[in-house]
Amino acid sequence: DAGVIQSPRHEVTEMGQEVTLRCKPISGHDYLFWYRQTMMRGLELLIYFNNNVPIDDSGMPEDRFSAKMPNASFSTLKIQPSEPRDSAVYFCASSLGASGTEAFFGQGTRLTVV
Amino acid sequence: AQSVTQLDSHVSVSEGTPVLLRCNYSSSYSPSLFWYVQHPNKGLQLLLKYTSAATLVKGINGFEAEFKKSETSFHLTKPSAHMSDAAEYFCVVSDLGGSQGNLIFGKGTKLSVKP
Repeated sequence: DAGVIQSPRHEVTEMGQEVTLRCKPISGHDYLFWYRQTMMRGLELLIYFNNNVPIDDSGMPEDRFSAKMPNASFSTLKIQPSEPRDSAVYFCASSLGASGTEAFFGQGTRLTVV
Repeated sequence: AQSVTQLDSHVSVSEGTPVLLRCNYSSSYSPSLFWYVQHPNKGLQLLLKYTSAATLVKGINGFEAEFKKSETSFHLTKPSAHMSDAAEYFCVVSDLGGSQGNLIFGKGTKLSVKP
């Protein structure tokens, strides 16, 4: 398996534009996580899914952020409209089973909003 | 509620000397604990995990960690640092009895290795 695949690896966009980050989890994994990493706040869980259903989105910072998982092999994180403070590295991770199992991380998407 | 505290934001050691990265946790249930490593501009990779089996856990690249319930600690150690160990290390807790699949990350400890 190629691991968790995220695209794009880098994204530079202007303030106010819509940004869509994509993630393909490892085949067969039933949990998918979206994290955001910044120098100031470290690694924050934004939302996670179990069997394509959002379980906890309490980490989503505001209504400008939305995430979907239309099927077991694809998820998106959308920011509309984007703001400079959204600049961060966004990681997607997937795991098999409940807590206590390893999460496998993608390489991340570095988002810069200017 | 679960939480994890990494006591040092930055640790610097000389190559060939021991490494100690400290982590304390709080958990309402029997926790699972992990250490992840992140090299510059890379994703996170699992070093080792504890899931209520042996309290001394061995991981990749010569790292190990000991679960001490009485001290609520899960410190990461390595007998002899290598230059390639320079990275950021995250201690992570997950409650077996709590929210399924939810990992709580510490703030990270940046390890520098001097030649």
